[in-house]
Amino acid sequence: DAGVIQSPRHEVTEMGQEVTLRCKPISGHDYLFWYRQTMMRGLELLIYFNNNVPIDDSGMPEDRFSAKMPNASFSTLKIQPSEPRDSAVYFCASRTGYGYTFGSGTRLTVV
Amino acid sequence: KNQVEQSPQSLIILEGKNCTLQCNYTVSPFSNLRWYKQDTGRGPVSLTIMTFSENTKSNGRYTATLDADTKQSSLHITASQLSDSASYICVVPRIHFGNEKLTFGTGTRLTIIP
Repeated sequence: DAGVIQSPRHEVTEMGQEVTLRCKPISGHDYLFWYRQTMMRGLELLIYFNNNVPIDDSGMPEDRFSAKMPNASFSTLKIQPSEPRDSAVYFCASRTGYGYTFGSGTRLTVV
Repeated sequence: KNQVEQSPQSLIILEGKNCTLQCNYTVSPFSNLRWYKQDTGRGPVSLTIMTFSENTKSNGRYTATLDADTKQSSLHITASQLSDSASYICVVPRIHFGNEKLTFGTGTRLTIIP
């Protein structure tokens, strides 16, 4: 099992550009979560899906953020347009039962 | 308000020494408490999951304790190794409209020096 796979590992983009982060959850996990981690605020939940359906997106900071899960093996988090304050590490995690497995994250830098 | 607070924020100890990290929570209702280890540049990895009825749980050199009455937990690391250098995050789930949402502490940054 390769675990939760995120891509890219690092992304540097200019303010105003569109950014797409990708996640492949562990096969068989029925929940998928997107988190953002910053030094100031720690880990924050952005949105989560259950069986590909968005359940709670109340953590998405603005309309500039959107997430999709078109099938059980793929999810994207899109930021359009990106701003410097979006710079953070974005984690995807999947879960079945009790156990959460996190990906290695995407470090996003918006300049 | 549902919160998880950790102390200290950072800790530096010599290799081979023991240390204890603290976690206080106000999340209610309580179902379980988790400790995660996060290496630099990696995602958090679960160390232990403790339910309401468990007071102590060990995972190798890591021992977690839980006092559900005072809403406190600790993570004790014995005979520290350089590879223990990481952030340790205390996590308490809460139930939100029938679904579980994790509440994260801000973590303790542990540095082991040779």
